Amino acid sequence: GESVGLHLPTLSVQEGDNSIINCAYSNSASDYFIWYKQESGKGPQFIIDIRSNMDKRQGQRVTVLLNKTVKHLSLQIAATQPGDSAVYFCAESSRGSTLGRLYFGRGTQLTVWP
Amino acid sequence: NAGVTQTPKFQVLKTGQSMTLQCAQDMNHEYMSWYRQDPGMGLRLIHYSVGAGITDQGEVPNGYNVSRSTTEDFPLRLLSAAPSQTSVYFCASNRRAGGTYEQYFGPGTRLTVT
Repeated sequence: GESVGLHLPTLSVQEGDNSIINCAYSNSASDYFIWYKQESGKGPQFIIDIRSNMDKRQGQRVTVLLNKTVKHLSLQIAATQPGDSAVYFCAESSRGSTLGRLYFGRGTQLTVWP
Repeated sequence: NAGVTQTPKFQVLKTGQSMTLQCAQDMNHEYMSWYRQDPGMGLRLIHYSVGAGITDQGEVPNGYNVSRSTTEDFPLRLLSAAPSQTSVYFCASNRRAGGTYEQYFGPGTRLTVT
């Protein structure tokens, strides 16, 4: 079955530095991936998504990279700010799966220090 | 536009008690789902619905029931609470826009079963 996980459970970066959060998946049929941000005491919040026909997608201060060969995706946050401190989850869905049915990884805790 | 709302925010139950977690969305989304989140874990799908009158099981459905009588509401029922159901529960809804599934989460219900 599908398996989505993260390489590192925690990541600490200095304010202003770039952050890279990694995610691995095992289902070769996965064709859609989302990154979520979850702040303490809140529900996950959509950040950015990418389809398997793309290698890279950029948003505001965030970039998602997808490497289908090694089944790996990453979230890059530029100029990390204290407000970026949160848990980040990747989620995946596979072609033919029920609309919106997502499988989540365990999450990475990002801490930004001044 | 309130998005996805959940009530209550906190609940303590004794083993064997039953209760209903409420979820409502005002975005006219067809797809709604319930997840549970345990410490150090990602979100696991309990039940989902692709429209009024249609529900199906997710990864961890045992001990939970759902119904979808309207597009807006998707309550989750715990029939006989067990300590293993102590968790944070998130309701989500999503639409399909441009081939992507942007999922919106509620603020969560923190449930403790003693």
